[in-house]
Amino acid sequence: DAEITQSPRHKITETGRQVTLACHQTWNHNNMFWYRQDLGHGLRLIHYSYGVQDTNKGEVSDGYSVSRSNTEDLPLTLESAASSQTSVYFCASSDYRDTNEKLFFGSGTQLSVL
Amino acid sequence: LAKTTQPISMDSYEGQEVNITCSHNNIATNDYITWYQQFPSQGPRFIIQGYKTKVTNEVASLFIPADRKSSTLSLPRVSLSDTAVYYCLVGVNYGQNFVFGPGTRLSVLP
Repeated sequence: DAEITQSPRHKITETGRQVTLACHQTWNHNNMFWYRQDLGHGLRLIHYSYGVQDTNKGEVSDGYSVSRSNTEDLPLTLESAASSQTSVYFCASSDYRDTNEKLFFGSGTQLSVL
Repeated sequence: LAKTTQPISMDSYEGQEVNITCSHNNIATNDYITWYQQFPSQGPRFIIQGYKTKVTNEVASLFIPADRKSSTLSLPRVSLSDTAVYYCLVGVNYGQNFVFGPGTRLSVLP
């Protein structure tokens, strides 16, 4: 079955370190998204991509970057981790051909920045 | 983007029907109404979507009045496993326009 997987599930890092969170989907979806979830804020969009070589900033993109070199993967990089980036990170994908677009989410990565 | 308002939390008992109402007074003509469900330690999961009147699937029903300024998610005969956060989203069908608010935290009690 097609799926979307995130790795690692848990990550502890130190302030100032570079961190990369992986997202891999086998749906063959063109659209991919990264969200962060914090108590009281719901999910906030960090970056999104509508296809290979396409990346766009979302609501809370400062301190994060993404690259899209193939359809299946959209890694999220924290250039210099900060304690404010401690959060749960979710990756999602969707099919642009779907008239009623639905988001398919991964299981999340719990990131702690100490 | 249409702003949505839904209760922060609700409690129910097993076997009861649960109705969660979402207000979206400034919904646009082309907007769809979509509901997602999120269990602890998991990503949100699509459960139902509609444009007008009533939509039903194996999980839930969605009721939308003629003016479309609100919608109601109905969960029949809830069980403990329905304890989750439920999000109401309103918008056109482009991913970056999906705005997830705090949602409604449903607690089903035995």
